[in-house]
Order: sequence, then structure tokens, then C-alpha cells
Amino acid sequence: DQQVKQNSPSLSVQEGRISILNCDYTNSMFDYFLWYKKYPAEGPTFLISISSIKDKNEDGRFTVFLNKSAKHLSLHIVPSQPGDSAVYFCAASARDSGSRLTFGEGTQLTVNP
Amino acid sequence: GAGVSQSPSNKVTEKGKDVELRCDPISGHTALYWYRQSLGQGLEFLIYFQGNSAPDKSGLPSDRFSAERTGGSVSTLTIQRTQQEDSAVYLCASSLVPLNSPLHFGNGTRLTVT
Repeated sequence: DQQVKQNSPSLSVQEGRISILNCDYTNSMFDYFLWYKKYPAEGPTFLISISSIKDKNEDGRFTVFLNKSAKHLSLHIVPSQPGDSAVYFCAASARDSGSRLTFGEGTQLTVNP
Repeated sequence: GAGVSQSPSNKVTEKGKDVELRCDPISGHTALYWYRQSLGQGLEFLIYFQGNSAPDKSGLPSDRFSAERTGGSVSTLTIQRTQQEDSAVYLCASSLVPLNSPLHFGNGTRLTVT
């Protein structure tokens, strides 16, 4: 039962353009959503989060959008840079699960110079 | 160090042997998690420790897996009688209370069972 899904295993964009990574979830109890970035041979690092009481959160080049009715969130990176090339994981948690996160399968982003 | 530390970084073991993986969380973080990532898969939750509360073991895949956290700090994940399907990267993470604090991950232990 995959409660968090990232349907695109990979995405390739040109430097300077926008990268849009998508994530869908099925559990309506999820109320907190995060994006993590992972480089090879390293652990995931926290990027940005959003609470279910918001529909947008922005931090520099990174913006996360949440559409609760569609159970969908997306991460926008603009402008994309070659150093953004990594695997991006979407994650979600529910209030009654402590801080336990449920992760998607990840999307490999490649930003071409 | 300032981050979550895991050891060993790589472990190759023969099928049927027991292995122990170690995690040193960030000082002061009361919550500690173990996840694993199999090839081409997302991160799979294994177990969660929070302070002195009973751990949430609901993600452990079989009774061959166990974990403990001594003194509210260092944690050890033990896999008994390893199988080839146990091959994965085992990731430890810690976080602060309150709820919804981001997890800080270590670099993981890559376990290969031959």
C-alpha cells in the first residue's frame, strides 16, 4: 500500500528553467509534508516543508504547493542549477504517527548545463 | 560531530550471519528513526524511538530485526540470520521534539548479503 507516490522516476531540465516535481498521497490523515534531497552515498537532507493549513510555502528558489482536495503536492525549483541534480523524495506525516514519515519512491532530477 | 553518524559505512556479510549497525544521533535529539532503502525503492520505515516511550516497531519486516537505544542516545539495529533480501542502505535519522521537526539523516550503512 503505497500511501505516497512519485510517479516520475526521473526528470531532466535545462539550467535556468523551472523544475517541477510531483507527489500524490492517499492518506487523508497526513497533515505535514516535506521534500528531501539526496545525493549519492549521502543521507537525505531536508529541503522544505508545508503544513496542511497552507497551500504554498516558499524558500528562495524552492516553492512547495499543496492541493489538499486533489491530495497532490509539488516542488518548484526556479531557476534550476546543475547542483540541484539529485534524487528528491516527497514525505508525509500524520499527527497521530509522531514524526514518523512516509516517503515516496523518489524522482531523479538532472539539470543540464 | 554535528551530524548523525552511522557505522560501518559498508558491510558485506554472508547469508545466515548476524549483523549490527550503529547510529549516533545528534546530541539533544530525543527522537531516533531507522529507515532502509532497497535498490530503486523509496525509504521504508523500520522503527522509531522517542525519549523513554516504548518504541514504534511497526515497520520491522520480520522478527529477525531488532533495535535498541541505550541511554536515550546511541542506537543499534541488529539483523539476525541475514538473507539476501536484507541487502539495502540502512539510514538512521534523529529529530528534535516537538512534532513535525525535520529529520536529520546519517549517510547510511550499505549492507550487502552474499
